[in-house]
Amino acid sequence: DAGVTQSPTHLIKTRGQQVTLRCSPKSGHDTVSWYQQALGQGPQFIFQYYEEEERQRGNFPDRFSGHQFPNYSSELNVNALWLGDSALYLCASSVRGRLAGELFFGEGSRLTVL
Amino acid sequence: GQNIDQPTEMTATEGAIVQINCTYQTSGFNGLFWYQQHAGEAPTFLSYNVLDGLEEKGRFSSFLSRSKGYSYLLLKELQMKDSASYLCAVSSGYALNFGKGTSLLVTP
Repeated sequence: DAGVTQSPTHLIKTRGQQVTLRCSPKSGHDTVSWYQQALGQGPQFIFQYYEEEERQRGNFPDRFSGHQFPNYSSELNVNALWLGDSALYLCASSVRGRLAGELFFGEGSRLTVL
Repeated sequence: GQNIDQPTEMTATEGAIVQINCTYQTSGFNGLFWYQQHAGEAPTFLSYNVLDGLEEKGRFSSFLSRSKGYSYLLLKELQMKDSASYLCAVSSGYALNFGKGTSLLVTP
């Protein structure tokens, strides 16, 4: 049973560029959340997707957008990258109706913006 | 707003007991969660509390007092593999709001 998978694992971009990160949830899970984790910090909630709709959004600018596909996989897009976007981006999946805070995290995509 | 505080670092000896405290002030509350994160790895779910009191799960226990905005994670019979960051998180709506984490070092 595959867990949450994310790609790419590492990437380097320059300021002003755009990036797309991908996530496949754990088998049987229908809800995907994205978190940003800066070095030495706890994860910060970006948004959650369920039934292909953004269900809740954290305190992130519109440069951060996402999508969920019919097979429950998800993408996170960040436009106009700046240095402060350098972080580990974590995808987490869960099942609607189960314990809301019990998330299964992927290993993350480490983004470096130069 | 959300404010979740926990100590930055703690050190304990193998075989001992350690308590990691967490205080919170949040605008919504659906539950208090603890996650473990080893360096370079994904966070993994440890425990949760929705009601006041103690929840025990093997070597790990977690306590919650909603009136005081306070929780702790208790780790017993510490093992070297318990060296990790421990993240306190409050569930609010569909989001988990995490503290900065407590880095625990277990020494021989």
